[in-house]
Amino acid sequence: DSGVTQTPKHLITATGQRVTLRCSPRSGDLSVYWYQQSLDQGLQFLIQYYNGEERAKGNILERFSAQQFPDLHSELNLSSLELGDSALYFCASSVSETYTGELFFGEGSRLTVL
Amino acid sequence: AQSVAQPEDQVNVAEGNPLTVKCTYSVSGNPYLFWYVQYPNRGLQFLLKYITGDNLVKGSYGFEAEFNKSQTSFHLKKPSALVSDSALYFCAVRDNAGNNRKLIWGLGTSLAVNP
Repeated sequence: DSGVTQTPKHLITATGQRVTLRCSPRSGDLSVYWYQQSLDQGLQFLIQYYNGEERAKGNILERFSAQQFPDLHSELNLSSLELGDSALYFCASSVSETYTGELFFGEGSRLTVL
Repeated sequence: AQSVAQPEDQVNVAEGNPLTVKCTYSVSGNPYLFWYVQYPNRGLQFLLKYITGDNLVKGSYGFEAEFNKSQTSFHLKKPSALVSDSALYFCAVRDNAGNNRKLIWGLGTSLAVNP
């Protein structure tokens, strides 16, 4: 158990809809990262927050947004969903702001868009 | 530009034999290098990292990796494979040059250990 909790584990929705994925980081970790994993594109970094502030942005679509709350949990909002958004979405956390140590990954949220 | 290559989509090895999962990288400055493993239907788990120091790094579950600066490689190895090592393995690199401190991931190598 990594200590990172993601909900929901599975989500099935229709095109055009909006969903919210939630992540609770490991106790004491200030950084939260969101990743998208699909068969054709591998593991894609979306966005990083550190102690409530956005720190780095990757290949995140404008239809997607995220935030980190004062209690350090994070939410990833996906809107106007398309079939191609179907993927496994991972949250990871770490103590540091930069990549010097281990990232702890949650079990992921599997999104299916029909 | 930073990049990571895992040249083999799949590696097959017999149980008890040594295994190698390859990773090469391209960065501007000194690299931080990482290996992660993903078991089916699970999140990624950290195996080991190279930041500085000894080129041979030992990690979890009996895995090790050797940093080779001249060949820009960081291959993952294990002397004797187990069936339970069957999983997806990811190499990642952070470039320490400039202000771009993102982690770049390889596409993963699927390891199958046959009994």
